[in-house]
Amino acid sequence: ETGVTQSPTHLIKTRGQQVTLRCSSQSGHNTVSWYQQALGQGPQFIFQYYREEENGRGNFPPRFSGLQFPNYSSELNVNALELDDSALYLCASSPDRSNTEAFFGQGTRLTVV
Amino acid sequence: AQSVAQPEDQVNVAEGNPLTVKCTYSVSGNPYLFWYVQYPNRGLQFLLKYITGDNLVKGSYGFEAEFNKSQTSFHLKKPSALVSDSALYFCAVRGASGGSYIPTFGRGTSLIVHP
Repeated sequence: ETGVTQSPTHLIKTRGQQVTLRCSSQSGHNTVSWYQQALGQGPQFIFQYYREEENGRGNFPPRFSGLQFPNYSSELNVNALELDDSALYLCASSPDRSNTEAFFGQGTRLTVV
Repeated sequence: AQSVAQPEDQVNVAEGNPLTVKCTYSVSGNPYLFWYVQYPNRGLQFLLKYITGDNLVKGSYGFEAEFNKSQTSFHLKKPSALVSDSALYFCAVRGASGGSYIPTFGRGTSLIVHP
């Protein structure tokens, strides 16, 4: 157990809808990163938050947005869902923004129909 | 741009035999390198990392990896495989300098250990 929890574990949404995924970081960790893992692929970095500010973003469109709260928990929001957004979404927390020590949650499986 | 190649989609090994999972990388400057393992329907578990220092890095569950700068490789090894090692293995790289904290992952290698 890494101490990083994600909710929900599974989710089915319709194309065009919006979704919010949640992540609770490991105690003492001030950095959270989100990843998209499509079937048969490695995780792709979406963005990272350090002390409530975004400090790194991968090649994802603006409809992927996030928040980090004062308790360092985090949300990933995806607007205007597309079929290709179907994937496992992983959250990872780190004790600092260098991200050399990341602890992953179990993921949220999103299916867009 | 940084990249990671895991040339084998699948590696098969008999229990008790040594195993190697290959990884090569491309990054500007010095690399930070990582190995993770993923079991079905689970998140990634950290195995080991290379930041600096000794080229041979020892990690969790008896795994180790050797950093080879000239060959830009970071192969994962274990002297004696267990059936329970069967899982998906990911190599990742990021640059060591500047403010780039963005890691790039390989596509993964499925390790199957036969009894």
